[in-house]
Amino acid sequence: QQQVKQSPQSLIVQKGGISIINCAYENTAFDYFPWYQQFPGKGPALLIAIRPDVSEKKEGRFTISFNKSAKQFSLHIMDSQPGDSATYFCAAGLNTGFQKLVFGTGTRLLVSP
Amino acid sequence: DSGVTQTPKHLITATGQRVTLRCSPRSGDLSVYWYQQSLDQGLQFLIQYYNGEERAKGNILERFSAQQFPDLHSELNLSSLELGDSALYFCASSVEAGVHGELFFGEGSRLTVL
Repeated sequence: QQQVKQSPQSLIVQKGGISIINCAYENTAFDYFPWYQQFPGKGPALLIAIRPDVSEKKEGRFTISFNKSAKQFSLHIMDSQPGDSATYFCAAGLNTGFQKLVFGTGTRLLVSP
Repeated sequence: DSGVTQTPKHLITATGQRVTLRCSPRSGDLSVYWYQQSLDQGLQFLIQYYNGEERAKGNILERFSAQQFPDLHSELNLSSLELGDSALYFCASSVEAGVHGELFFGEGSRLTVL
């Protein structure tokens, strides 16, 4: 019930293309869904987050789509750039505290020039 | 720069040994979290401290312990090390215990057990 399944494990996208990473969760009590971006040698950094009262959130080129009934959410990176090459982690948790966050296994994105 | 400082960045040691990882949270953040990231694994929550007191425990082994000091820095102690303990250990901090703020991660301490 605590798992968050993330796919694909790795992704290669051409510059200017759309990168799509998918996550599925099991615990229907989860009410906080962040995405983290991690560059080599660095710690994860919050990219964008969504709560289940909305189905989509957009920040610049990054969009989270959320499907509560399917218990799935995804990250779309529009106009992908080489600088977006990083590992992306989805997570799901409870609004009561970060300690309840369950992370996906990560997607290694490579945007080719 | 997240403002969370972790030392050491790299550590190589032998099985059976004990190591201490240190974390200084962002200025003003009261809550410190420790995570373990193994190869091809997501981040596994180990333990959380809030203003000096243990707040929550995750999948932390009995061989591991942590504490948060009055100046809010935290240490994670790993003892009787095994090969499987080789991983990246991240510290994160937030202003409070809930998710109303943001979780800031340090750059991690890479532990290699030989």
